Amino acid sequence: GAVVSQHPSRVICKSGTSVKIECRSLDFQATTMFWYRQFPKQSLMLMATSNEGSKATYEQGVEKDKFLINHASLTLSTLTVTSAHPEDSSFYICSADRGSEAFFGQGTRLTVV
Amino acid sequence: DAKTTQPTSMDCAEGRAANLPCNHSTISGNEYVYWYRQIHSQGPQYIIHGLKNNETNEMASLIITEDRKSSTLILPHATLRDTAVYYCIVRPRGAGNNRKLIWGLGTSLAVNP
Repeated sequence: GAVVSQHPSRVICKSGTSVKIECRSLDFQATTMFWYRQFPKQSLMLMATSNEGSKATYEQGVEKDKFLINHASLTLSTLTVTSAHPEDSSFYICSADRGSEAFFGQGTRLTVV
Repeated sequence: DAKTTQPTSMDCAEGRAANLPCNHSTISGNEYVYWYRQIHSQGPQYIIHGLKNNETNEMASLIITEDRKSSTLILPHATLRDTAVYYCIVRPRGAGNNRKLIWGLGTSLAVNP
């Protein structure tokens, strides 16, 4: 069964609104989680590394004020896309390490209209 | 940039073995070879990983060359459900941000009836 749960799987929102995506590790603690974005026919691009109890580390070119990450507990990280615009429409994926393996959420398809 | 190169696409007949190659000529001594796959509109799924010895699990076999500069993922009896994009990634073992995954474009495997 899934070891990382991501919610929601799909969301449609209006331009200018904010959307929160949750990523939970099931039955294990994850001090570090990773957030990716994937555009059609492209590979996964790492956006940021979420660290429990401290600030997230963002990759170059990713706006930290637009993509707010909160990792308040050892089993939950959230990504909030603030003031979403159509160009933010994408497939967002989280992952968490359990031991030496990385496990991924089911992904969230965000459509901004 | 990804440290691996893979063919863009491959075809395989159902029931036959699928052999997916990967070049990682700049792999470091502490880096493992990981394989994941992504079925359309889903999060990536872990398949197998190895350091220098060949590995086998219920999903696949991983053959790593002696110089570790390339590897081959083998799906022994491909099924239609194995149609996916397969990613080969090198990654150091251990915890922390240095274990973030850098994704290439992978190999799009089509299993045909």
